[in-house]
Amino acid sequence: EDQVTQSPEALRLQEGESSSLNCSYTVSGLRGLFWYRQDPGKGPEFLFTLYSAGEEKEKERLKATLTKKESFLHITAPKPEDSATYLCAVRYSGAGSYQLTFGKGTKLSVIP
Amino acid sequence: KAGVTQTPRYLIKTRGQQVTLSCSPISGHRSVSWYQQTPGQGLQFLFEYFSETQRNKGNFPGRFSGRQFSNSRSEMNVSTLELGDSALYLCASSLILANPYNEQFFGPGTRLTVL
Repeated sequence: EDQVTQSPEALRLQEGESSSLNCSYTVSGLRGLFWYRQDPGKGPEFLFTLYSAGEEKEKERLKATLTKKESFLHITAPKPEDSATYLCAVRYSGAGSYQLTFGKGTKLSVIP
Repeated sequence: KAGVTQTPRYLIKTRGQQVTLSCSPISGHRSVSWYQQTPGQGLQFLFEYFSETQRNKGNFPGRFSGRQFSNSRSEMNVSTLELGDSALYLCASSLILANPYNEQFFGPGTRLTVL
């Protein structure tokens, strides 16, 4: 059973069409939820860290929110340059583990 | 400030060979983690180093190993390569390990192809 599940797997939006990406997690003892953006052939680029339910963070057209079981990445009026794969990861307490556990990602395509 | 650097960027090997990948963390960062990324499994944690010691290891066979040097640079080694080892290997650095809230910053990765 996956500990981090992202949906949808792929999303096509028209430029300016706002939407949300979902990341749900089943781990206990959450120590942080992380959002990354990854362009083809490149390493993931850090976007946000969220620590507790109710927390929100914004950066340009992106806004991340966190509840007790999931996180949303809201994209407002996206542009073609927002096209990328968005990855969600969690860090949780368990046997002294601090590694990031990733979801499979949502591939976003923004059409002009 | 320079980001995480990884060398080489691309590598082609044949089955049975071994390979060593290198990672230089962001200046001042002392923790280095390694991940394997494949289309089917996504990003999977390999291991994590801090102060030249392996602090945590993912669910990979013993053919995968690594080390960290006193300057925080890290290397990972894969012996007896298999076709399934073809992947993008990513290195990430954090300021320190002890704070679990530290963000990890990724390098561009090394694309390994095993023929």
